[in-house]
Amino acid sequence: DAGVIQSPRHEVTEMGQEVTLRCKPISGHDYLFWYRQTMMRGLELLIYFNNNVPIDDSGMPEDRFSAKMPNASFSTLKIQPSEPRDSAVYFCASGANTEAFFGQGTRLTVV
Amino acid sequence: GIQVEQSPPDLILQEGANSTLRCNFSDSVNNLQWFHQNPWGQLINLFYIPSGTKQNGRLSATTVATERYSLLYISSSQTTDSGVYFCAVDMNTGFQKLVFGTGTRLLVSP
Repeated sequence: DAGVIQSPRHEVTEMGQEVTLRCKPISGHDYLFWYRQTMMRGLELLIYFNNNVPIDDSGMPEDRFSAKMPNASFSTLKIQPSEPRDSAVYFCASGANTEAFFGQGTRLTVV
Repeated sequence: GIQVEQSPPDLILQEGANSTLRCNFSDSVNNLQWFHQNPWGQLINLFYIPSGTKQNGRLSATTVATERYSLLYISSSQTTDSGVYFCAVDMNTGFQKLVFGTGTRLLVSP
């Protein structure tokens, strides 16, 4: 398996624009996680899914953030409208019961 | 929520030296993982170790769950070991959400 695949790797957008981050989990994994990494707050969980169902979205910072998992092989994290404080590295991870495996991340810069 | 503290925050080693990184957590855990974030930002799985001891080459880890700490040992360090080492724990039964420590930044110089 190629591991967790995220796209794009880098995204630069203007404040107010919509941003969509994409993730393909490892085949067979039934958990999917979205994390955000910043210098100030470190790695923090935004939301996670089990069997495509959102279980806990308490880490989503505000209503501008939304996440979907329409099927077992695809998830999106959307920010609308984006703000400069959303600049961070966003990681997707997947797992099956024990270990979580991370994608390479999307570095988002909002100017 | 659960607190995860890692020490030391920064570590500088000469190539070939050994080191011990520590992770303390404030509550019982059902999941503990160690990760290495390399200079390119990639998070690499090192160990899944909620209890006991494991070894993988020059790296080994021990978790003493009853005393709420885990140790990561790096022997004969190499420059490629540089990066940030994270401990992450999940206190929930089943597989829910990992809470990350603040990391130990390691620099191995030649």
